[in-house]
Amino acid sequence: GQNIDQPTEMTATEGAIVQINCTYQTSGFNGLFWYQQHAGEAPTFLSYNVLDGLEEKGRFSSFLSRSKGYSYLLLKELQMKDSASYLCAVRDSNYQLIWGAGTKLIIKP
Amino acid sequence: NAGVTQTPKFRVLKTGQSMTLLCAQDMNHEYMYWYRQDPGMGLRLIYYSASEGTTDKGEVPNGYNVSRLKKQNFLLGLESAAPSQTSVYFCASSYSTSGGYEQYFGPGTRLTVT
Repeated sequence: GQNIDQPTEMTATEGAIVQINCTYQTSGFNGLFWYQQHAGEAPTFLSYNVLDGLEEKGRFSSFLSRSKGYSYLLLKELQMKDSASYLCAVRDSNYQLIWGAGTKLIIKP
Repeated sequence: NAGVTQTPKFRVLKTGQSMTLLCAQDMNHEYMYWYRQDPGMGLRLIYYSASEGTTDKGEVPNGYNVSRLKKQNFLLGLESAAPSQTSVYFCASSYSTSGGYEQYFGPGTRLTVT
C-alpha cells in the first residue's frame, strides 16, 4: 500500500527553527509537495521537490532524499502566523497526489 | 481572479437526502479534483477530471458522482447522503499533473449528515 508518515503535532518557540519530517512509501515517485493549511482554511502550496537536495524559499526550505523516501520542511525565524498544519504529499506513478495526515505546528511566544 | 470557489460553504443534510456541491475555477486549468478531509487522515481523492467531459475515480468514489460539462466547473453529487459522508470537501484545480505545477484549492464545504 501507499503510506506517508508525518508527526501529528509539534511545538516550537517564536523566532526559533523547526524541522518537520515526512517519510513515504508509494508506488512510484514523481515529486513531493509541501502545503500549509491554517485551521478552517484551504491548503496552500509551499514547495516542490523532485530531485535530491535542498530547495530554499525565503524562511522555508524543503529537502528530499529519494533513496531514503524522506523529506523535511525547515521553517526558520518562526512567527506566530506560522501556526498551522503542514501537509506532505507525494505524486505517485499515476501522477496523483498521496497525502500525509499533516503535522500541526504550535508556535509559543 | 477569484481562483477556485466552492458553494455552499456549509450544509447540514439528513440521511438519505441528496445534494450537489459546485466548484468553479477561473484559471483555465485542465485538471480539477474533489477531495475529502477527515480528522487524523490525509486528503483523499474522490474523483478527478483531466479535461472537460471526462472524469475518473479516485481513492474513495463510492456514494458520489461527478460531472464536468464546462471546463471551469466541476460538480460533486451525493445521491443518498450517509453519516459517513460527514466531512470537509475541497475542490482543487491544476494546470498539469506533471512538473512543479501545484494544485490550487477552494475554501472548502463543511458537510454534516445527521
